[in-house]
Amino acid sequence: AQKVTQAQTEISVVEKEDVTLDCVYETRDTTYYLFWYKQPPSGELVFLIRRNSFDEQNEISGRYSWNFQKSTSSFNFTITASQVVDSAVYFCALSEGGGNYQLIWGAGTKLIIKP
Amino acid sequence: SAVISQKPSRDICQRGTSLTIQCQVDSQVTMMFWYRQQPGQSLTLIATANQGSEATYESGFVIDKFPISRPNLTFSTLTVSNMSPEDSSIYLCSARGGGRTDTQYFGPGTRLTVL
Repeated sequence: AQKVTQAQTEISVVEKEDVTLDCVYETRDTTYYLFWYKQPPSGELVFLIRRNSFDEQNEISGRYSWNFQKSTSSFNFTITASQVVDSAVYFCALSEGGGNYQLIWGAGTKLIIKP
Repeated sequence: SAVISQKPSRDICQRGTSLTIQCQVDSQVTMMFWYRQQPGQSLTLIATANQGSEATYESGFVIDKFPISRPNLTFSTLTVSNMSPEDSSIYLCSARGGGRTDTQYFGPGTRLTVL
């Protein structure tokens, strides 16, 4: 069965601190896709990144970086030098390559950045 | 990436009434989805909106309660019928293209409050 676990319900840090959001997934497929979305208080879901199971290279985009490790079935997200605007709920999701492309969602991590 | 708009952005409705939410995509897409997000929760897939045929509903969701239309490749509607306070949620529309690696993009959501 497929499953995505975001064990951190809420994280609170002071601005400029680095913060890592954890994501652990379960799947039997060898081909799958992992995603991170951001949901600010406005409610809209903003796509951040997609990773396929064959590409374990870490990725950096500005202050954001992602660490994909198949050995531990994890796809963690780090924000460097956090800012108040980073405050949001962050969701990790899994899509299997088998055909229906539905997203399996984690519970989300609420990130609070204090000024 | 697809740009998705939803109408209305929010509404307050009386128990027993129905509300139709519209979702418009700026380009033709293969797949459209409807989600519900209850307060403080993750996303739950209601159904996949199929162009030219009946929607595919997930367990726990039925057509009589959540009728869906998809008359073309850029537009879909979700109706929440005979509403009760338990239907108070954010309803999100999403869309993806047809490729295996395509990403699901989301509309801004509709915040529904049922009194």
